[in-house]
Amino acid sequence: QLQLQESGPGLVKPSETLSLTCTVSGGSISSSNYYWGWIRQPPGKGLEWIGSINYRGTTYYNPSLKSRLTISVDTSKNRFYLKLNSVTAADTAVYYCARIDVTVVPSTMFDYWGQGTLVAVPS
Amino acid sequence: QSVLTQPPSASGSPGQRVTISCSGSSSNIGTNTVNWYQQLPGTAPKLLIYTNNQRPAGVPDRFSGSKSGTSASLAISGLQSEDEADYFCAVWGDSLNAVVFGGGTKLTVL
Repeated sequence: QLQLQESGPGLVKPSETLSLTCTVSGGSISSSNYYWGWIRQPPGKGLEWIGSINYRGTTYYNPSLKSRLTISVDTSKNRFYLKLNSVTAADTAVYYCARIDVTVVPSTMFDYWGQGTLVAVPS
Repeated sequence: QSVLTQPPSASGSPGQRVTISCSGSSSNIGTNTVNWYQQLPGTAPKLLIYTNNQRPAGVPDRFSGSKSGTSASLAISGLQSEDEADYFCAVWGDSLNAVVFGGGTKLTVL
């Protein structure tokens, strides 16, 4: 059974960089059938797609975050990563990683999710 | 303000049928497939409907999806208390070149 697990600091200071890791277990990240994505959810609000990456490192970023965002992958560790620069209180959210089935493209089919991790940026 | 419009809330009594709408445009729903997610309180979202009307394994057939033009709908029949959750639609937005989510609908089972 595929599992995804987010990890990283729960508190990031304003103007600093938010860094998260998603570790994939129970399956290989190196499949052409899938992309891997980050989604966030501010407390009490809706979902926002952050960006996606495949095992070759091809990325798609949310245009609203692109200038501050880097998503990368390490196939040897079966992990992918999120870095978001210059954070503010508006970046406070639960951050989820997820697998994206790209059988149908363009895809918004997030079929496996991590449990999520809350990252707070104090104002 | 999402480019996909969902009603913020919906409700129904046990056993009833409820529908949740997701309204978009020609550059998102009108062109691409819609997926639906269920988020139970305090948990991660779960894929509920994919490619407009397909159910993943394990999702009861009480849940169904449809799409027409620039709108999509999620229907839940035989409503149960455990269906109380937030529901989100998602689609690729061609003009934004991004995944877009609806604002979410909170379903209350009366």
